[in-house]
Amino acid sequence: DIQLTQSPSTLSASVGDRVTIACRASESIINWLAWYQQKSGKAPKLLISKASILGSGVPSRFSASGSVTEFTLTISSLQPDDFATYYCQHYYTYPYTFGQGTKLEI
Amino acid sequence: EVQLVESGGDLVQPGGSLRLSCAASGFTFTTYWMSWVRQAPGKGLELVANIDQHGSEKHYLESVKGRFTISRDNAKTSLYLQMNSLRAEDTSIYYCVRRGEAFDVWGRGTMVTVSS
Repeated sequence: DIQLTQSPSTLSASVGDRVTIACRASESIINWLAWYQQKSGKAPKLLISKASILGSGVPSRFSASGSVTEFTLTISSLQPDDFATYYCQHYYTYPYTFGQGTKLEI
Repeated sequence: EVQLVESGGDLVQPGGSLRLSCAASGFTFTTYWMSWVRQAPGKGLELVANIDQHGSEKHYLESVKGRFTISRDNAKTSLYLQMNSLRAEDTSIYYCVRRGEAFDVWGRGTMVTVSS
């Protein structure tokens, strides 16, 4: 199975900060990677698909890049609504797997 | 409005069975793969099962193979998960998810608790 490792596991930041979350795959997934945001008690929400394509209605302060095994999600200027847990997920081959999550906190 | 609504979650004893349902609306159900994703309390996300548009191709998480069965009824625009021989480690919120561009639509989830 392809393993995804996110770093850091927890990230402390402030409103207005620029933050980056990394996701490393144990083998090549080309660009079949998605990013999700999950707020406490809610279902995850798709932010990014195919490594860099912004999801419908997702603010432009979110961006992502990467390919093969190294990927990043960047939030250019943190807003109060952005404090949540973020997951990466590959959908290259079965079983699709998720990273362990990065909790973004104040 | 695109919507997925799960139902069927409950408290069940180890070894018991449960059937989850997901009612889909607001999109052409027959053109999408569908999935069940679960999340144990305080833990991360785990893809449990996938099914193609026609119900002919299915994929399962290794730990649920032989115990869980995913199915769909396109006429009723509904997705199902039959769960047998339930274990404590199956305790999770189960989300019904549409596979569009990645997992692009999620239901609110239904809670399954396996405990004596």
